[in-house]
Amino acid sequence: DVKVTQSSRYLVKRTGEKVFLECVQDMDHENMFWYRQDPGLGLRLIYFSYDVKMKEKGDIPEGYSVSREKKERFSLILESASTNQTSMYLCASSSVQGYEQYFGPGTRLTVT
Amino acid sequence: DQQVKQNSPSLSVQEGRISILNCDYTNSMFDYFLWYKKYPAEGPTFLISISSIKDKNEDGRFTVFLNKSAKHLSLHIVPSQPGDSAVYFCAESRGSARQLTFGSGTQLTVLP
Repeated sequence: DVKVTQSSRYLVKRTGEKVFLECVQDMDHENMFWYRQDPGLGLRLIYFSYDVKMKEKGDIPEGYSVSREKKERFSLILESASTNQTSMYLCASSSVQGYEQYFGPGTRLTVT
Repeated sequence: DQQVKQNSPSLSVQEGRISILNCDYTNSMFDYFLWYKKYPAEGPTFLISISSIKDKNEDGRFTVFLNKSAKHLSLHIVPSQPGDSAVYFCAESRGSARQLTFGSGTQLTVLP
């Protein structure tokens, strides 16, 4: 069974703090993704990576950066958290052979 | 402008009846559409997909129909069960990493 884990289920941070969200997958997948989910907007792609040290901007990259130093780990970084980054953050992974993405349980981030 | 639209935020159906969830898209160049199901406080889980070269795909109680001329797809669940109550997202697969563009989701409630 594919497993995607995220470092925290719930996180509360203050405005201006640097925030790290970690994601680990155990299926040796090449592709990894970060989405945020907001009511009425569905899931929106922030960044993705198709290989170690490779990254591409998604649809809403502003205010975020990512890091992929190892194949199994993909980190999302909020350089200076703002209240409009309060959201549910979802990590996913997929293989190059398939279309299906496997999601982690999500991190509910609140920025106050 | 949203490329994938789910115009019904919610749908209620009686147990045993058919549930029909709809999705419209604007981009004709896609490889696959996927449907995901999401329970509260969990990550989305893959349900069923359809290739751009097909017009129907069936898996047990779930069938997805693709109408390319109308740029419309639908997910049929027959018979509906209370455990099917969840948010359903359609997603378009695109790009080199097969990244997904999601609709805004439809909350399905199956009433006992």
